[in-house]
Amino acid sequence: QVQLQESGPGLVKPSQTLSLTCTVSGGSISSGGYYWSWIRQHPGKGLEWIGYIYYSGSTYYNPSLKSRVTISVDTSKNQFSLKLSSVTAADTAVYYCARGSNGFDPWGQGTLVTVSS
Amino acid sequence: DIQMTQSPSSVSASVGDRVTITCRASQGISSWLAWYQQKPGIAPKLLIYAASSLQSGVPSRFSGNRSGTDFTLTISSLQPEDFATYYCQQANSFPVTFGQGTKVGVK
Repeated sequence: QVQLQESGPGLVKPSQTLSLTCTVSGGSISSGGYYWSWIRQHPGKGLEWIGYIYYSGSTYYNPSLKSRVTISVDTSKNQFSLKLSSVTAADTAVYYCARGSNGFDPWGQGTLVTVSS
Repeated sequence: DIQMTQSPSSVSASVGDRVTITCRASQGISSWLAWYQQKPGIAPKLLIYAASSLQSGVPSRFSGNRSGTDFTLTISSLQPEDFATYYCQQANSFPVTFGQGTKVGVK
C-alpha cells in the first residue's frame, strides 16, 4: 500500500527557510486523482493545512501562509517538498505529508521541526 | 474560509458507552466531510469520508451522519483503544479546514 515518509532537518534557525521532503512509496505521485498535501500541528494543538501540489505541478496554499510557502514535486523521485521561509518560533510544529482526495489518507509519521537559535 | 466548530471539546466516557461528537460547518459543504482519530505521538487516521462512508479497515462501531451543515461522529460502544482525540475536516473547498478537536477521555 502507499506509504509516505517525511525527511529534513529537525532544527531550523529563526529567519531561515524550513525545508522538508516527503517520499512516496508503494504508488506513483503521477497516477493522478490525488492532491499531495502538507499539514502541521503545533505542540498540543489542532491541525493546520499548509497547501497541496498536484502531480502536474499545480498548487494551492493556505492564504494564512501563502507568502512564505512553496511546494514542489519531483515525479522522477516520487517526492514532493515543502519550503517555508522566514520562520519564527511560531512555526515550531510537527509537519505531516499526506495524500488527499475526499479526506487525507495515508499520512506520513510526521516530523518535529523546532525553530530556535 | 469555512469554519468547522466541534463540540464538545472533551468528553469523559466509559468502555461500552455510546459517544457522539458534533461538527458544524459555517457554510454548506454538501457531504464533503471527513473524521479522523489521533492518538498521542501518532499521525491522524482517517475514519469516515464523505460524511458517512467508513474507511476500509475501520470498525463498524464508528459511523457518521449529516444533517444540513451539522455532522456527527458516533462510536456505538466505546472500546479501550478508542480513547483519543477526534477531528473533523471539510473537503468542500480550499483552504481545507479542520475542527479544533474533541478529546475522548476515561471517566
